[in-house]
Amino acid sequence: DTAVSQTPKYLVTQMGNDKSIKCEQNLGHDTMYWYKQDSKKFLKIMFSYNNKELIINETVPNRFSPKSPDKAHLNLHINSLELGDSAVYFCASSQDFGTPTYEQYFGPGTRLTVT
Amino acid sequence: QKEVEQDPGPLSVPEGAIVSLNCTYSNSAFQYFMWYRQYSRKGPELLMYTYSSGNKEDGRFTAQVDKSSKYISLFIRDSQPSDSATYLCAMNTGFQKLVFGTGTRLLVSP
Repeated sequence: DTAVSQTPKYLVTQMGNDKSIKCEQNLGHDTMYWYKQDSKKFLKIMFSYNNKELIINETVPNRFSPKSPDKAHLNLHINSLELGDSAVYFCASSQDFGTPTYEQYFGPGTRLTVT
Repeated sequence: QKEVEQDPGPLSVPEGAIVSLNCTYSNSAFQYFMWYRQYSRKGPELLMYTYSSGNKEDGRFTAQVDKSSKYISLFIRDSQPSDSATYLCAMNTGFQKLVFGTGTRLLVSP
């Protein structure tokens, strides 16, 4: 049983295009996240949602817009893609908000390549 | 300067060796310290966590935190080729935002 799933796994697109990445978790968690991992493996949080409410919004270009239709889903839409957006994007979830969230469960990642 | 510093490696060791992986950090408010393991082309998975200073042991893995030095370590005893992965330290103040190190790539050769 997949805990945190992401689609697509690979995404190759041209500069200027708009694309979306979808994430779903079946763990019953209340909080979901988007992370970006660059080519040097640095993993940085972008957004976090708790029960469909945005709670963390790091310094991310406005071209990135997360959407949470329900607490089991968190999607990421990226407008006007740039070369620097090439990275692996990870979705993650954790059980609760306001308690130490050491247990974040990560999805398999979406490898985005912008040409 | 990043909040959490970690040597990217790669660290190459023979099977059976003791491995020491380390991170330093600058934010004295960090209270929770974690180690995640990431295999190639996979998402990170939690390996161990500790709260505040001290040691924690789980099988072949030992995590140490020295808050006075702002230094955390992960020791792997009797390393196995299956331990070959990138190890990411992570920490937070107790709220949701995890701050990760850049990860150390470990290669254990048979």
